[in-house]
Amino acid sequence: AQSVSQHNHHVILSEAASLELGCNYSYGGTVNLFWYVQYPGQHLQLLLKYFSGDPLVKGIKGFEAEFIKSKFSFNLRKPSVQWSDTAEYFCAAAGGATNKLIFGTGTLLAVQP
Amino acid sequence: DTGVSQNPRHKITKRGQNVTFRCDPISEHNRLYWYRQTLGQGPEFLTYFQNEAQLEKSRLLSDRFSAERPKGSFSTLEIQRTEQGDSAMYLCASSFGLAGTTDTQYFGPGTRLTVL
Repeated sequence: AQSVSQHNHHVILSEAASLELGCNYSYGGTVNLFWYVQYPGQHLQLLLKYFSGDPLVKGIKGFEAEFIKSKFSFNLRKPSVQWSDTAEYFCAAAGGATNKLIFGTGTLLAVQP
Repeated sequence: DTGVSQNPRHKITKRGQNVTFRCDPISEHNRLYWYRQTLGQGPEFLTYFQNEAQLEKSRLLSDRFSAERPKGSFSTLEIQRTEQGDSAMYLCASSFGLAGTTDTQYFGPGTRLTVL
């Protein structure tokens, strides 16, 4: 069955700390991977996506993610977080004819000033 | 760019009542998706439209749920005889995709349903 796992449910960091959020997927066939972010009181926004090509993908606000096919992983990273990065982060996978997204359970990130 | 809009933003209803939500996608987006999100979970796929055709429905979409997208523009999601378990955030997303290609979905703010 298709699934996406996010093992970190809650992460608390101080400003300027480095961030890595784990994402593993189980998906048959070609997979496309996404990270979405939901800031407090706002709707889901796309951070970055991987369709093909360079496995290191850069997104908005200094975020990046690396697709490692052998590990079925697509971890999200940021070298130095800011208080404004406090949000919930969702990893998602898609593929097939409908491109429906399969989401992980999300990681709530709190950055302390 | 007006984005995806959803109405109403909040709906409180009594068990057994019918409710209808509306989603207006980004102009010219041919694909429209409905998802449901409960507390502590990621969004779960409900159904998908390509233009006006409903091409896939999740098993989560019981016979009390119906979705339409007349003329391939806005979409409505109706829940009949609501149950307390239907309480959730209902999300709409739209995208532009050609056959056989991958798209990027843009989400609306959601409609929060509370069934008393």
